[in-house]
Amino acid sequence: EIVLTQSPGTLSLSPGERATLSCRASQSVSSSYLAWYQQKPGQAPRLLIYGASSRATGIPDRFSGSGSGTDFTLTISRLEPEDFAVYYCQQYGSSLPFGQGTRLEIK
Amino acid sequence: EVQLVESGGGLVQPGGSLRLSCAASGFTFSSYSMNWVRQAPGKGLEWVSYISSSSSTIYYADSVKGRFTISRDNAKNSLYLQMNSLRDEDTAVYYCARDHVEMATIGDYWGLGTLVTVSS
Repeated sequence: EIVLTQSPGTLSLSPGERATLSCRASQSVSSSYLAWYQQKPGQAPRLLIYGASSRATGIPDRFSGSGSGTDFTLTISRLEPEDFAVYYCQQYGSSLPFGQGTRLEIK
Repeated sequence: EVQLVESGGGLVQPGGSLRLSCAASGFTFSSYSMNWVRQAPGKGLEWVSYISSSSSTIYYADSVKGRFTISRDNAKNSLYLQMNSLRDEDTAVYYCARDHVEMATIGDYWGLGTLVTVSS
């Protein structure tokens, strides 16, 4: 089973800064099958990125995804106050589809 | 507008049973596969079960296999999760999520979740 490992566990940044979140797979994953979600406290996850780099409907262009093979990245170009949340990567078609999450907190 | 509304959660003793429901609206329910995903308090997301649009294909996480049963009623636009032999570690918020095979996502839309607490 392919396992997704996200790093760092917690990222402390200030509004306006650039955030880079990593998702590493234990084996190669098709880029088509890699997605990213955002979850705020008390809320359901929200789809941000699918196909490794395509933004979901209504997602601001400060969010971007990249990567291939075993290494994928979610980048938030300039952090807004509402971006501080937990982020999960997901691989489709696996019984262990989610990474453990990265908490993005205000520094 | 796509809406998914879960219900049926609550407090149940270990070994007990509970049936969760998810009412779907705003899209052609019978055309989409669906998932249940759970989140234990303070923990990450855990996929629980998948059902195809026609119910012909069903998958379960190893942690619930043999205890949980997913089903759907396309005439009622509803998804279900029958949970038996519940354990403390099943305590979680349970979300239903619309699978989107073209985008290869477990959930392009999610419900708000329903809390299941297993405790004596």
